[in-house]
Amino acid sequence: ETGVTQTPRHLVMGMTNKKSLKCEQHLGHNAMYWYKQSAKKPLELMFVYSLEERVENNSVPSRFSPECPNSSHLFLHLHTLQPEDSALYLCASSRNVAGGTYEQYFGPGTRLTVT
Amino acid sequence: QKEVEQNSGPLSVPEGAIASLNCTYSDRGSQSFFWYRQYSGKSPELIMFIYSNGDKEDGRFTAQLNKASQYVSLLIRDSQPSDSATYLCAVRRNTGFQKLVFGTGTRLLVSP
Repeated sequence: ETGVTQTPRHLVMGMTNKKSLKCEQHLGHNAMYWYKQSAKKPLELMFVYSLEERVENNSVPSRFSPECPNSSHLFLHLHTLQPEDSALYLCASSRNVAGGTYEQYFGPGTRLTVT
Repeated sequence: QKEVEQNSGPLSVPEGAIASLNCTYSDRGSQSFFWYRQYSGKSPELIMFIYSNGDKEDGRFTAQLNKASQYVSLLIRDSQPSDSATYLCAVRRNTGFQKLVFGTGTRLLVSP
């Protein structure tokens, strides 16, 4: 595997379900990100982890719960979601180096539909 | 005022022409600027980044940055139908951990 991988690629869940999204990066990066992309809206940053520590939480509802067990893996745990949470969820990673440009590389995304 | 602004398009150009995509940003202290290409139903793919005033060229792509005018652009020379996609401009702010702020993207259509 190369780059950033995400599973599952598609997910349909009811509002009472609990599911998890998984992201894995094979780039040797030490920062990982969750984004939400809805139609006609810019990418919304949800969470940032650097060296497995959460450094940013953009007022995301508690029904989204991130977990970063190591610098290569990132999870997004989902429970009691709402239909408006249906979107493309993107994971990204970057190298955290002082003075660097911190370009982020994205995984293929998980298309989530909440019914 | 949006932090990163792009014309949503679509921008239509004939094959072989130069496509010019523009982006303005509001945070004067922004450090780095990125262009991503996103095909329909796919994730964003990094094309180029630039952090110094002036031009940066990579193959058919040229990024141009003017910090005084808070303006960054992407030129695509010899446009191909395969360049048809949405182009996202992203700006790394001066505050916040490596945070990128994205524009809504410009849809480019290259006709054969």
